[in-house]
Amino acid sequence: GENVEQHPSTLSVQEGDSAVIKCTYSDSASNYFPWYKQELGKRPQLIIDIRSNVGEKKDQRIAVTLNKTAKHFSLHITETQPEDSAVYFCAASSGSQGNLIFGKGTKLSVKP
Amino acid sequence: SQTIHQWPATLVQPVGSPLSLECTVEGTSNPNLYWYRQAAGRGLQLLFYSVGIGQISSEVPQNLSASRPQDRQFILSSKKLLLSDSGFYLCAWSVTQGRTEAFFGQGTRLTVV
Repeated sequence: GENVEQHPSTLSVQEGDSAVIKCTYSDSASNYFPWYKQELGKRPQLIIDIRSNVGEKKDQRIAVTLNKTAKHFSLHITETQPEDSAVYFCAASSGSQGNLIFGKGTKLSVKP
Repeated sequence: SQTIHQWPATLVQPVGSPLSLECTVEGTSNPNLYWYRQAAGRGLQLLFYSVGIGQISSEVPQNLSASRPQDRQFILSSKKLLLSDSGFYLCAWSVTQGRTEAFFGQGTRLTVV
């Protein structure tokens, strides 16, 4: 089955700096890659996603890149703000039903 | 619009007691339904998924079971809880075809003592 590895597990940046989180996946048939943000004690919520027919997608300060050949995808957050502090999860679809398999998460801390 | 309800929000149960967590979805038909568990340092682990009434698939062997008695109702159960069952349980749904966004419930913080 699908296996998703996510790095780093923790990331601390200064406000205004950029943050990059990387994930790799194992199943070459996976074709949907969402990123979720989970604030403390709350549910994960989708912030951006990308499908395998696209190499890059941007939404204001966040962007995701996908390298199908290498089977890795990354989340880029520019001009970080304290409210970006949260746990971020990457995921990849798996199997005939497209179930989402998640990475272990990255705890991002943005220091003012 | 679609909404997902999950309850209770928090639960403290003794070892060996039974468990029943319920999740319902409104505003959609025939959704894919999921139970995930979030434990410290282990991310979101898929426990069960269901593509229809009475159809349950388990991703990992464990002390838990799931049932889907109605199209938009998903229940997570255990006959006898273990300490290792403690965690944050999240119900989620997605459109039937899969490979789309999953929408999560508010979660249940389960502490087994």
